[in-house]
Amino acid sequence: GAGVSQTPSNKVTEKGKYVELRCDPISGHTALYWYRQSLGQGPEFLIYFQGTGAADDSGLPNDRFFAVRPEGSVSTLKIQRTERGDSAVYLCASSFKRAPGNEQFFGPGTRLTVL
Amino acid sequence: QKEVEQDPGPLSVPEGAIVSLNCTYSNSAFQYFMWYRQYSRKGPELLMYTYSSGNKEDGRFTAQVDKSSKYISLFIRDSQPSDSATYLCAFNTNAGKSTFGDGTTLTVKP
Repeated sequence: GAGVSQTPSNKVTEKGKYVELRCDPISGHTALYWYRQSLGQGPEFLIYFQGTGAADDSGLPNDRFFAVRPEGSVSTLKIQRTERGDSAVYLCASSFKRAPGNEQFFGPGTRLTVL
Repeated sequence: QKEVEQDPGPLSVPEGAIVSLNCTYSNSAFQYFMWYRQYSRKGPELLMYTYSSGNKEDGRFTAQVDKSSKYISLFIRDSQPSDSATYLCAFNTNAGKSTFGDGTTLTVKP
């Protein structure tokens, strides 16, 4: 079956603009995670959904970042007033049921560049 | 102090060598221990997962966990050029999110 897909694969924007990044998880996976990976670093947790609700948003760096998952499937990560420091690869992962033990399947990521 | 410290690398070995990749952690709440492999411009993929101290073997890969020392390792036997990638250690509590190391980049030369 299809894996986790993310669109767009690359996004270039200007400082101050608004961006939306989309994640399509594996069908039937109830848990969905967003991570951010900067060059030379490991993924950094942003937010985790169980179904439609955000179970843990402790990793969102500030109120410019927001994520939704209205129907418990597709999720959108929204970044307002982008800054150059937001440039990174944004990774989405899903798992069949709540971690910790369940395997998280990662998408290929969206590479965001803020000029 | 970071919760996870991973040997930074990069690491370059000849084909057939045994590779040792290592991480230490400080959070006693970590209960699940994982190793991911990440190829360039791809998402991480899970290689090994364990929740207890000791060794777990899967083909050429062995994951080792020492909870008392807060130390985990991944061993790769008979390394192949296709093993060239960045290896990430990762840890979970019961809370769902994973905490990752910064990765070790491995190159296996033919």
